[in-house]
Amino acid sequence: EAGVTQFPSHSVIEKGQTVTLRCDPISGHDNLYWYRRVMGKEIKFLLHFVKESKQDESGMPNNRFLAERTGGTYSTLKVQPAELEDSGVYFCASSQVGTTLQETQYFGPGTRLLVL
Amino acid sequence: AQSVAQPEDQVNVAEGNPLTVKCTYSVSGNPYLFWYVQYPNRGLQFLLKYITGDNLVKGSYGFEAEFNKSQTSFHLKKPSALVSDSALYFCAVRDPWFSGGYNKLIFGAGTRLAVHP
Repeated sequence: EAGVTQFPSHSVIEKGQTVTLRCDPISGHDNLYWYRRVMGKEIKFLLHFVKESKQDESGMPNNRFLAERTGGTYSTLKVQPAELEDSGVYFCASSQVGTTLQETQYFGPGTRLLVL
Repeated sequence: AQSVAQPEDQVNVAEGNPLTVKCTYSVSGNPYLFWYVQYPNRGLQFLLKYITGDNLVKGSYGFEAEFNKSQTSFHLKKPSALVSDSALYFCAVRDPWFSGGYNKLIFGAGTRLAVHP
């Protein structure tokens, strides 16, 4: 079974440019999450999809970030325009939908974003 | 407020010695607790989790963790460290009763484990 995949693995862009990150969850996982780790600090939650619906987007830092999950499969996270403080590692995770909240989130390798 | 603390930025251990990576948490209700590991140039890998039941949880690669409710701790342990255990370890908590988003994981800042030959 393939794990969570993310593309690209690295991205270097200039301030003001646009970047789009992609995440393909584990097949059959309806839950999809985005997290990011900035400057060696803790990993912080950004948002949560259940299928194509945004369940919780309380962690999105501002309106420069736009996440989509059309069709409930893969997801994209667009940053437009990028700022220096957006640099960090963006992780995607997926899990099966359950009723007990005991399910494990499985993470992808992350996308390392550097904004110059 | 929900939070996770990993008080040590780095832990140094000699190969063959026992290791402990510390984690304490703060949530409003009974927590679900997780440990993840990140090897160099790799993503986060799930190690183990505590949901309910026995306070000692066993996971992958010989790791275990002990849930201590009175001390609000969930320390990661291994009886005999290997050089290959050198990695970045993250503790995380989920508060299933938190109305502000009960599915999300709250992470600590991570602890770098260095195991020396």
